[in-house]
Amino acid sequence: GDSVTQTEGPVTLSEGTSLTVNCSYETKQYPTLFWYVQYPGEGPQLLFKVPKANEKGSNRGFEATYNKEATSFHLQKASVQESDSAVYYCALGGGNSAGNKLTFGIGTRVLVRP
Amino acid sequence: EAAVTQSPRNKVAVTGGKVTLSCNQTNNHNNMYWYRQDTGHGLRLIHYSYGAGSTEKGDIPDGYKASRPSQENFSLILELATPSQTSVYFCASGDAYWGGGQNTLYFGAGTRLSVL
Repeated sequence: GDSVTQTEGPVTLSEGTSLTVNCSYETKQYPTLFWYVQYPGEGPQLLFKVPKANEKGSNRGFEATYNKEATSFHLQKASVQESDSAVYYCALGGGNSAGNKLTFGIGTRVLVRP
Repeated sequence: EAAVTQSPRNKVAVTGGKVTLSCNQTNNHNNMYWYRQDTGHGLRLIHYSYGAGSTEKGDIPDGYKASRPSQENFSLILELATPSQTSVYFCASGDAYWGGGQNTLYFGAGTRLSVL
């Protein structure tokens, strides 16, 4: 079945430094890839999604490129802020008739110190 | 504003008791989902539904039932709760698949369940 592997957290860094959260996936389908972000006390919310290989998604300074050859979708931000402290989930959706389900990674907790 | 609302937000149950978690969505989405969130496992799919009257098993359905009486409402039922079901549960809604790719899921704020 589908699977997603991502950086184990917590990842602790200082404001103004760069962030990379690695994500790799396995699937036999042609998935859409997602990054979700979850703040304390809230449900996950979409950061951005990319439906096609070799395209890039971005939002709020975060970006990731759908690399089909490497089966990767790494999340990057050049300069983090304290408000970026959250749990980040990489996910894939099969996009076929099999229920429109999302398969999530384990989540990566990111702590940004001022 | 379109939303996914879960109730209760917190629940303490006894082992062997029955627990019902409720979810209501105003997004007018066909599909609804129940996930549980555990450290080291991320979000795992329990049950989902394509529309009123339909329920499907997800990846970890054992010990859970689901009910979709209407487009807006989707419940998760633990007939005989066990301590291993202590977790945070999230409901989500989403549109049916379209040709351009997988649609986004929209999540509620979660229900924290403790089974003692």
